[in-house]
Amino acid sequence: SQKIEQNSEALNIQEGKTATLTCNYTNYSPAYLQWYRQDPGRGPVFLLLIRENEKEKRKERLKVTFDTTLKQSLFHITASQPADSATYLCALDLGRGNTPLVFGKGTRLSVIA
Amino acid sequence: EAGVAQSPRYKIIEKRQSVAFWCNPISGHATLYWYQQILGQGPKLLIQFQNNGVVDDSQLPKDRFSAERLKGVDSTLKIQPAKLEDSAVYLCASTVVAGVAGYEQYFGPGTRLTVT
Repeated sequence: SQKIEQNSEALNIQEGKTATLTCNYTNYSPAYLQWYRQDPGRGPVFLLLIRENEKEKRKERLKVTFDTTLKQSLFHITASQPADSATYLCALDLGRGNTPLVFGKGTRLSVIA
Repeated sequence: EAGVAQSPRYKIIEKRQSVAFWCNPISGHATLYWYQQILGQGPKLLIQFQNNGVVDDSQLPKDRFSAERLKGVDSTLKIQPAKLEDSAVYLCASTVVAGVAGYEQYFGPGTRLTVT
């Protein structure tokens, strides 16, 4: 069966450390993988998109990797801040035009000062 | 640029009642999505429109849910009659490009529905 799993429901880290979130998938062949941030009571906000032929993508303190052999994406936040506390969702984009995104359950990140 | 607008933000109804949600996507966005997000889960697609046509409604419980997108702009999602398990946040999202992958989606704030 098709599955998309994010490694843990909740992750607590200290301010200044690097947070690493994992997204694994089974029986999908995504052409792209997207990461979103969701704050309580709000809709998800797009952060980064990585293509299947890209190994790594960076944006400011964010870094995403995509390993199609391992069927895994890692999402890193360096020098984490309390303002980074939120739920982070990964989403598979199968790349067939009108096919919708498939979302994981999300990981709730808490950065402790 | 204004974001995706949704109303109401909150709604409490009793089971077997009906409810409607409204979404106004970002101007010019061709594709509109309705998602259901149950507490602790990721968003799950209910229906996808491209302009005013339905692209994917395979996960919409059609015996009780209906949606329309008149004139390819605003959209409404209706539940009639509601069940307890329909308690969730209903998210509307849009994307500028139709029929092409690899573009981010813009989400509205959602409508939190509680069915008692």
